[in-house]
Amino acid sequence: DAKTTQPPSMDCAEGRAANLPCNHSTISGNEYVYWYRQIHSQGPQYIIHGLKNNETNEMASLIITEDRKSSTLILPHATLRDTAVYYCIVRVDTGANSKLTFGKGITLSVRP
Amino acid sequence: DTGVSQNPRHKITKRGQNVTFRCDPISEHNRLYWYRQTLGQGPEFLTYFQNEAQLEKSRLLSDRFSAERPKGSFSTLEIQRTEQGDSAMYLCASSYPGLANEQFFGPGTRLTVL
Repeated sequence: DAKTTQPPSMDCAEGRAANLPCNHSTISGNEYVYWYRQIHSQGPQYIIHGLKNNETNEMASLIITEDRKSSTLILPHATLRDTAVYYCIVRVDTGANSKLTFGKGITLSVRP
Repeated sequence: DTGVSQNPRHKITKRGQNVTFRCDPISEHNRLYWYRQTLGQGPEFLTYFQNEAQLEKSRLLSDRFSAERPKGSFSTLEIQRTEQGDSAMYLCASSYPGLANEQFFGPGTRLTVL
């Protein structure tokens, strides 16, 4: 699986959009971009994933650049409960062994 | 609550003792994963089951570690002769193919080896 690079931390104000960047310059054509988050003392939680089109669900939006070398996770109206470590993961979505390879992630702090 | 449960939530043991953790996945999920997470790091993959078959083991899984999923439902992870370096959070996840390969994680078992 391709490697991802994320800044170690960022913060944003409550109610504002949080834009979390991720670089994956070695991504292959059949690799998907996944985002998980981990709130303190809990297990990771799936947020969203995509291949090349932008995706949106009830939690977030995922914007993938045209060359697929980077992506941005957008939390449109961050709340204090969104404070967590966010992991950007790239993997082949074959449906076979779909283990996740986590990096250190980015710590998002939402301030009141 | 994701529907994946792990027991115990916390375990404190002395070096050299054996410990066993249990994971109960979401009932219809045929895939089950174990991960280990140390402070400040992301989770690291340990092993993976599809039904009762253990299909992959990480190099991190030394011969002191063994995992089973005897009837394709719950799973156990045993660590023999624990070492202080085994102190970590042990996470279990389950998934069902086709559902975005989304993995549902349990709350983890925190192991402290004294």
